[in-house]
Amino acid sequence: QSVLTQPPSASGTPGQWVTISCSGSNSNIGSNPVNWYQQLPGTAPKLLIYSNDQRPSGVPDRFSGSKSGTSASLAISGLQSEAEADYYCAAWDDSLNAYVFGTGTKVTVL
Amino acid sequence: QVQLVESGGGVVQPGRSLRLSCAASGFTFSSYVFHWVRQAPGKGLEWVAVISYDGENQFYADSVKGRFTISRDSFKKTLYLQMNRLKVEDTAVYYCARDALGWQLLVRSWLDSWGQGTLVTVSS
Repeated sequence: QSVLTQPPSASGTPGQWVTISCSGSNSNIGSNPVNWYQQLPGTAPKLLIYSNDQRPSGVPDRFSGSKSGTSASLAISGLQSEAEADYYCAAWDDSLNAYVFGTGTKVTVL
Repeated sequence: QVQLVESGGGVVQPGRSLRLSCAASGFTFSSYVFHWVRQAPGKGLEWVAVISYDGENQFYADSVKGRFTISRDSFKKTLYLQMNRLKVEDTAVYYCARDALGWQLLVRSWLDSWGQGTLVTVSS
């Protein structure tokens, strides 16, 4: 049912740069800001990026977000083992009157 | 500190009902909008519903519309999710989450605090 599409997986070695894409449409990403959530294994999701590119207090600057048109991206630089988690993009959808999540991307540190 | 604690999960038969609760503390409950989000075992996040400050306005995911009702009690500082006519596919961990910006800015907002979740299993 997800209307935002993400790659199922991404990986890199320690220190590398990883990017995760999030593809939507005019009614969601094209109209509204994108947020990203990180879910570490066995825990509740946590806000990682809000309003396309803003980091909450406490989130390392290794994490960055961007948006262009109907797509968004999350970048993780200087990959560390602590970044192994599931990542979800999300945005409000004006057509559905619903908050929609992406399909999720599992990041693995090799 | 901000704390959201869900409760009420359990095992229930298809077609039956269950009510989840989310107790809030550490902030002014009546000043915030709240959401329910669920996650089926091994699956991704699915938004369920959102409720306004005063409880007068709600939006629901199509998958639960007509079966689930979100509500709130400001005196008890508690958010609820009444789940009726439960289906096997409603099996999930249910999270409550606080909205950062509020009802007027809902389309631009994000979920800034989450509870730890409560597991609902629908099975015969």
